[in-house]
Amino acid sequence: GNSVTQMEGPVTLSEEAFLTINCTYTATGYPSLFWYVQYPGEGLQLLLKATKADDKGSNKGFEATYRKETTSFHLEKGSVQVSDSAVYFCALKKGGSEKLVFGKGTKLTVNP
Amino acid sequence: EAGVTQFPSHSVIEKGQTVTLRCDPISGHDNLYWYRRVMGKEIKFLLHFVKESKQDESGMPNNRFLAERTGGTYSTLKVQPAELEDSGVYFCASSQDRTGANTGELFFGEGSRLTVL
Repeated sequence: GNSVTQMEGPVTLSEEAFLTINCTYTATGYPSLFWYVQYPGEGLQLLLKATKADDKGSNKGFEATYRKETTSFHLEKGSVQVSDSAVYFCALKKGGSEKLVFGKGTKLTVNP
Repeated sequence: EAGVTQFPSHSVIEKGQTVTLRCDPISGHDNLYWYRRVMGKEIKFLLHFVKESKQDESGMPNNRFLAERTGGTYSTLKVQPAELEDSGVYFCASSQDRTGANTGELFFGEGSRLTVL
């Protein structure tokens, strides 16, 4: 079946450090891929997405590239801020399906 | 514009009791989804409404769970009787478009945390 595997957290970084959160997926065909973020006290919100191979999603300084050959969609940011502290969820959606399939989430804490 | 709101934010009940969770989607959003996150596990799809109709309830764990969306506005998710394994965070999400179209973006509430003792 379809599944998403994210790196286990929690991840703790200092401000301005480089961030990578790994995400790999298992799915037939060509799913759409998403990163959602949940800030403290808020609901999940879409951070970025990519709908086909080699697409790069970007938002708020975060980037992720859809790699078909490695079935990956790793999230990166060059310089994290304290305000980036949140839980990050990788997800996929198969064409024709309404369901998002999520990973377990990775909690990021950025210290000043 | 108000976001997706869920109530209660946290509920603690005894095994065998009943709990009803409520979700108010963003006004005008026809699509409403319920998801659940059991501690340490993935967020999993439960069901999808389009207006008042259940489009897909394949993720509902068993017949102790009943979701309704009377009038196509707010939705309730009732668990009766609750079991220990029902503990988790229940998320509601809404969208104007089906996730198969356009952005595929869902707008989530903060979740209702259910603890069954």
